[in-house]
Amino acid sequence: DAGVTQSPTHLIKTRGQQVTLRCSPKSGHDTVSWYQQALGQGPQFIFQYYEEEERQRGNFPDRFSGHQFPNYSSELNVNALLLGDSALYLCASSLFLRNTIYFGEGSWLTVV
Amino acid sequence: DAKTTQPPSMDCAEGRAANLPCNHSTISGNEYVYWYRQIHSQGPQYIIHGLKNNETNEMASLIITEDRKSSTLILPHATLRDTAVYYCIVSNTSGTYKYIFGTGTRLKVLA
Repeated sequence: DAGVTQSPTHLIKTRGQQVTLRCSPKSGHDTVSWYQQALGQGPQFIFQYYEEEERQRGNFPDRFSGHQFPNYSSELNVNALLLGDSALYLCASSLFLRNTIYFGEGSWLTVV
Repeated sequence: DAKTTQPPSMDCAEGRAANLPCNHSTISGNEYVYWYRQIHSQGPQYIIHGLKNNETNEMASLIITEDRKSSTLILPHATLRDTAVYYCIVSNTSGTYKYIFGTGTRLKVLA
């Protein structure tokens, strides 16, 4: 039973560029959430997708956008990258109306 | 802001029980208590959760006080591999729940 998988695991981007991160949920899960974790801090909620729609959003600017596909996989897009966007980006999946979420190993983004 | 408070760090001797406290004094009736841990900035790993009864699984035990304002995660026989940051989270059952993480407790298991 595959868990949550994310790609790429590490990447380096330049300020002003755009990045796309990808996530495949745990088998049987239909809801995907994204979190940003800066060094030394706890993860911060970005947004959640269910039925290909954004259902809830945290306190992140519009530069952060996402998408969910019919197979429940998801993408996180960040435009106009800032140095402060350097972080571990975590994808988590769950069944809608079920609390327990399971995290992937994350994608490390470094903006230079 | 996180709805939980945890001590920033704890040490535990290998083989002994590790008891990690969490305060959630403003918890609502429909909110569960969840525990996750994160090792070396890997993705957080689910440990256990509960509503009001004590819970036990193969990883740990969760003790929730009767007033539900605090809880304790117990790792019965800590090993070096249990060294990690442990997060206590409260989350409701509304269907569009987001986890609000605090800074967690950094547990160091000592040989």
